[in-house]
Amino acid sequence: QVQLQESGPGLVKPSETLSLTCSVSGASISSYYWSWIRQPPGKGLEWIGYMYHIGTPNYNPSLRSRITISVDTSKNQFSLRLSSVTAADTAVYYCARISLEYGHYYYYMDVWGKGTTVTVSS
Amino acid sequence: AIQLTQSPSSLSASVGDRVTIACRATQDISGALVWYQQKPGKAPKLLIYDASNLETGVPSRFSGSGSGTHFNITISSLQPEDFATYYCQQFYSSPLTFGGGTKVEIK
Repeated sequence: QVQLQESGPGLVKPSETLSLTCSVSGASISSYYWSWIRQPPGKGLEWIGYMYHIGTPNYNPSLRSRITISVDTSKNQFSLRLSSVTAADTAVYYCARISLEYGHYYYYMDVWGKGTTVTVSS
Repeated sequence: AIQLTQSPSSLSASVGDRVTIACRATQDISGALVWYQQKPGKAPKLLIYDASNLETGVPSRFSGSGSGTHFNITISSLQPEDFATYYCQQFYSSPLTFGGGTKVEIK
């Protein structure tokens, strides 16, 4: 079955760049859209962005100036970079697959990684 | 951006109770809504897609209804494993947005 696994530093200093990778198994990364979502401690879910292996990513306007999502088809992975982080970026970060049904993409997440906790602190 | 408001934000219920959670959108989103269940320390799990379709493997005690701006998820007979937080999400337009969540607790 499809599995997603986030990886990256658990601690990032303020003003630095957060970098996470999501490794995908059981599915070709070229066949789906892939997304990042985050959840601050004790709070709700926030969509960060998604992209296909080609074309232009779609980012949340609230984060657009600071985020880059990229796909590495050779490694079947996709990545998130979030620059100029502050304490407000402390959260559990999830990677997820966008649903594909009958040849159409529907922009909700049908498979999720387990999440990785990132703390922004000096 | 389309905002989703869930109500209540939390509820206490007993095993066997019928529970309904509402999600209201600030504009017409047709049926472009899903529901997730999240347990503590775990990733969200897709329960219902396209407002009323049950994801494969999800128990039939879960059901979804609604269209336009008003949506509900109902658990017909609450089971111990259903105590969790539930989120709605719209995919009608970007940015994708989530409701604030409804925590279902044991009475």
